[in-house]
Amino acid sequence: NAGVTQTPKFQVLKTGQSMTLQCAQDMNHEYMSWYRQDPGMGLRLIHYSVGAGITDQGEVPNGYNVSRSTTEDFPLRLLSAAPSQTSVYFCASSYRNTAGGEQYFGPGTRLTVT
Amino acid sequence: GQSLEQPSEVTAVEGAIVQINCTYQTSGFYGLSWYQQHDGGAPTFLSYNALDGLEETGRFSSFLSRSDSYGYLLLQELQMKDSASYFCAVRVVYGNNRLAFGKGNQVVVIP
Repeated sequence: NAGVTQTPKFQVLKTGQSMTLQCAQDMNHEYMSWYRQDPGMGLRLIHYSVGAGITDQGEVPNGYNVSRSTTEDFPLRLLSAAPSQTSVYFCASSYRNTAGGEQYFGPGTRLTVT
Repeated sequence: GQSLEQPSEVTAVEGAIVQINCTYQTSGFYGLSWYQQHDGGAPTFLSYNALDGLEETGRFSSFLSRSDSYGYLLLQELQMKDSASYFCAVRVVYGNNRLAFGKGNQVVVIP
């Protein structure tokens, strides 16, 4: 199993550009989520999905879109990049109602917006 | 809204014991998890408490008191590789694994 994969690992964007961060998992997990991590801020939930075709907003959804057309993939789209979106982005997955609370994280995408 | 409080940094020597506390105030509570993150790496799961009491996993133990909205992670026999940030996370929704994370606590282990 590859686990949770994310691409790209690093990205530099100019203000106003759009892009998609890719996330895929091969563990047949229903639940997938996107977080951003800024220094001293912990992990903040952007969007999440409890299954194909179902998505919902987290704490900081503005400026981001998601879709979940398959169980495996959960891309995150930045509509018009802003310097405030400079951050490290993590995708995570788990079983929807896992008894143990565990989420599996991808390696992260480090995004800089200039 | 969600609020999870963790103190910011702890320095300890190899072989020592460190306790990392977490107090929470969240819209829902269905369990407390702990994650470890090394610099430049991804968070990795350490432990989970759904009920009050102590859970032990090797050198690490985690405790929960739901009546006090409080938990802690105990790191025993500290090793250099334990230098990392540690996050508590509350499972806030019944029926799915949505988590609210604390800001984290950095542990620095010195020889």
